[in-house]
Amino acid sequence: GESVGLHLPTLSVQEGDNSIINCAYSNSASDYFIWYKQESGKGPQFIIDIRSNMDKRQGQRVTVLLNKTVKHLSLQIAATQPGDSAVYFCALTGGGNKLTFGTGTQLKVEL
Amino acid sequence: EAQVTQNPRYLITVTGKKLTVTCSQNMNHEYMSWYRQDPGLGLRQIYYSMNVEVTDKGDVPEGYKVSRKEKRNFPLILESPSPNQTSLYFCASSLVTSGMGEQFFGPGTRLTVL
Repeated sequence: GESVGLHLPTLSVQEGDNSIINCAYSNSASDYFIWYKQESGKGPQFIIDIRSNMDKRQGQRVTVLLNKTVKHLSLQIAATQPGDSAVYFCALTGGGNKLTFGTGTQLKVEL
Repeated sequence: EAQVTQNPRYLITVTGKKLTVTCSQNMNHEYMSWYRQDPGLGLRQIYYSMNVEVTDKGDVPEGYKVSRKEKRNFPLILESPSPNQTSLYFCASSLVTSGMGEQFFGPGTRLTVL
């Protein structure tokens, strides 16, 4: 089946710095990718998504980059703030209706 | 307020005692799904439904049942719970009738099976 892994379980950054969270996947048929943020005690919240026909998409302070050649996805957060502290999950669909999540990266923002 | 609600939020039960976790959404969404979240494993999809009376297995369906008799409700049924089903459960819904698109998650149900 599909496997999705994040490169680091924990990432610590200084407030104001940029954060980069990485995700690798194995299924080259994956056609839709999405990032979620989960704060402590809450359900995941949508951040941004990207389809396989794109390699970059930007939102407010966030950018998702997709490299299909090496099956790699990244989430960049500009000017990281304390409110960005959370667990970040990448997820993808493998051409069907199932959504497969990665294991998550805990982002810690240091003041 | 647009939301996904789950009940109960916390449940402690014993092995073999049937239970149901309810999920309801008020956004008229077609797609609904159940996930379990375990430390180090992320979220894993249990079952999903693309429309009323249409359900399908996710990655970890064993030991669970679902039904979708109405668009707004998608209960998760554990006929005979076992300790390995102790987990944090999330229900989610999406306007898009596939795994694509933003999913709105409920607040979670923490289940402990003794």
